[in-house]
Amino acid sequence: DVKVTQSSRYLVKRTGEKVFLECVQDMDHENMFWYRQDPGLGLRLIYFSYDVKMKEKGDIPEGYSVSREKKERFSLILESASTNQTSMYLCASSSSGGLSNQPQHFGDGTRLSIL
Amino acid sequence: QKEVEQDPGPLSVPEGAIVSLNCTYSNSAFQYFMWYRQYSRKGPELLMYTYSSGNKEDGRFTAQVDKSSKYISLFIRDSQPSDSATYLCASYSGYSTLTFGKGTMLLVSP
Repeated sequence: DVKVTQSSRYLVKRTGEKVFLECVQDMDHENMFWYRQDPGLGLRLIYFSYDVKMKEKGDIPEGYSVSREKKERFSLILESASTNQTSMYLCASSSSGGLSNQPQHFGDGTRLSIL
Repeated sequence: QKEVEQDPGPLSVPEGAIVSLNCTYSNSAFQYFMWYRQYSRKGPELLMYTYSSGNKEDGRFTAQVDKSSKYISLFIRDSQPSDSATYLCASYSGYSTLTFGKGTMLLVSP
């Protein structure tokens, strides 16, 4: 089975802090994704990556950056955390070249609270 | 117009009922369709994955796609309390990112 592991289930940080969310997948997937999930808004794509050191902006990249130095690891960075970034953050991965036709597999999420 | 629409529910049914969950989509380029199940405080779990129109069955679950009407359905037979979760439909064309519906909450009472 595909395993996508997010480093923290719950995280509490303060406004202005730099926050790192880590994600690791064990299936040698090329593609990795970061979403946030908010009540009434559903899943929204922040950033994705289809190869090591490659990254693409999703629908809501503002205030975030990402890093993919190794194929199995994809990090989401909140440069200066703000209260409106309090959310559930979900990492996903999928196989195949580019973004075509393979379903995404998700981790269990990090519930981040910014105080 | 949102590209994938779902009724948020909640949909409440008694144990043993047949459940029908539905989505509509607007992008005629969509070819791949997925259903995810998400339990409270967990990540979405892939349930069904289909390509183009037609039916796909897996145990108590049947996914149905009607591309002519842009309608996606998930049927659950003999529903169980353990089926209580939020169900997300998702779709994409061959080379695009996934578009998710906002999810329908299902409650199955014993």
